[in-house]
Parts: sequence; structure tokens; C-alpha cells
Amino acid sequence: NAGVTQTPKFRILKIGQSMTLQCTQDMNHNYMYWYRQDPGMGLKLIYYSVGAGITDKGEVPNGYNVSRSTTEDFPLRLELAAPSQTSVYFCASSYAGTPKFGQGTRLTVV
Amino acid sequence: QQPVQSPQAVILREGEDAVINCSSSKALYSVHWYRQKHGEAPVFLMILLKGGEQKGHEKISASFNEKKQQSSLYLTASQLSYSGTYFCGTENDAGNMLTFGGGTRLMVKP
Repeated sequence: NAGVTQTPKFRILKIGQSMTLQCTQDMNHNYMYWYRQDPGMGLKLIYYSVGAGITDKGEVPNGYNVSRSTTEDFPLRLELAAPSQTSVYFCASSYAGTPKFGQGTRLTVV
Repeated sequence: QQPVQSPQAVILREGEDAVINCSSSKALYSVHWYRQKHGEAPVFLMILLKGGEQKGHEKISASFNEKKQQSSLYLTASQLSYSGTYFCGTENDAGNMLTFGGGTRLMVKP
């Protein structure tokens, strides 16, 4: 099924560890996004990309990095994980239209 | 800057109506409406573009008043399946960054 695939679905990290959240889409969408959603809250944009090789900061980029070497993949890197990064992370993609979301990665930093 | 949604929460009986508002301090170019069930990804409902148009999805419709920089979502004769959190998203003028409001939690009771 065409869509946005995120891995892993769940992860527990210790403070100071690093990890990469993977996101891939098979719809040939040019736009891709990373959002975080804290419990009971709205979606905050972390980073977005309008095409391969082009990325830009969203509302809450600190503590994260991204890259976009291909149209399909948009990984999100967490360096030096902190408890404040405990959240559900959603990747989304669109073709100059309405983003379609992946199922999310639930990350807990302890 | 993220849009502001009101109310924050609504409790309805089946068959009742509700209105959710979304307003922005910046000029609006489009408004996206999503619904999110607990533990799931947001699901697209509809998009409204400049021009004061109205759209519908099932018994859910929306309006967009670009002069007032606001959009409203109308839920008519609510069903149990309407329960969830509703988010509005607004695009920047370049059309490449979608920012979401804090959400409106809707609960429909039998």
C-alpha cells in the first residue's frame, strides 16, 4: 500500500544516547515533514523538506537534524537525547497539497 | 506562528451539532482540517483555499473567511465516530510549511 512508513514504532532511549528515526514514502512526494506531538498537545513542526537536498527548520528544530538525499527518505536524527524529547514523532509527505501522515514513532527518553 | 483553535474541548450527545474555530494572526492562504483518533495518526478531512469557499465531508463542512483570517468546522448531527481531536493547519505564503493549531478534543456520547 502506498504511504508513509516510519520505523521504529516504539523506542526507549537513555539520556545522552543518539538515534535516527526513519521515514520513507513511495508516493513520489516532493514535500516531507517531521512533527512532534507531546501528550495531549498539538503537532509542532520540527523540520521540513521541499525536495531532495533541500531542508529547512520548522518551529522546534533544536536538538534534531535531518537530511534528504533521496526523494523517498527523510530521516530525523536525535543527538544527545533529553527527557524533553519524549514525544510521538510523525513523518508526513505531500505533493504540494495535503500531507499524509505515517503511523508515528513513540519515543521515551529516560 | 501557529493558529489558535477554540474551544479546546467539546462534549456532545449523539445528534447534536458543534462548531470548531481556527483563527490566525497572519494572512491565510489555505486551511487544512484533520481528525486524530487516540493513538493514531492524523487523518485528512478537507482543505479550503482562498476565496471564502465551503466544503463538506460526510456531515462535516467547513468555511474559510480570509478577511477575518479564520476558518470554522461544522459538525452536524454528530455520530459516535466523530469523537477525536480536530486540528486545523495553516500554510505559510510559500505554501511549503504547514503549522497546526493546538487541537480541539471532541467527545460524542450516546
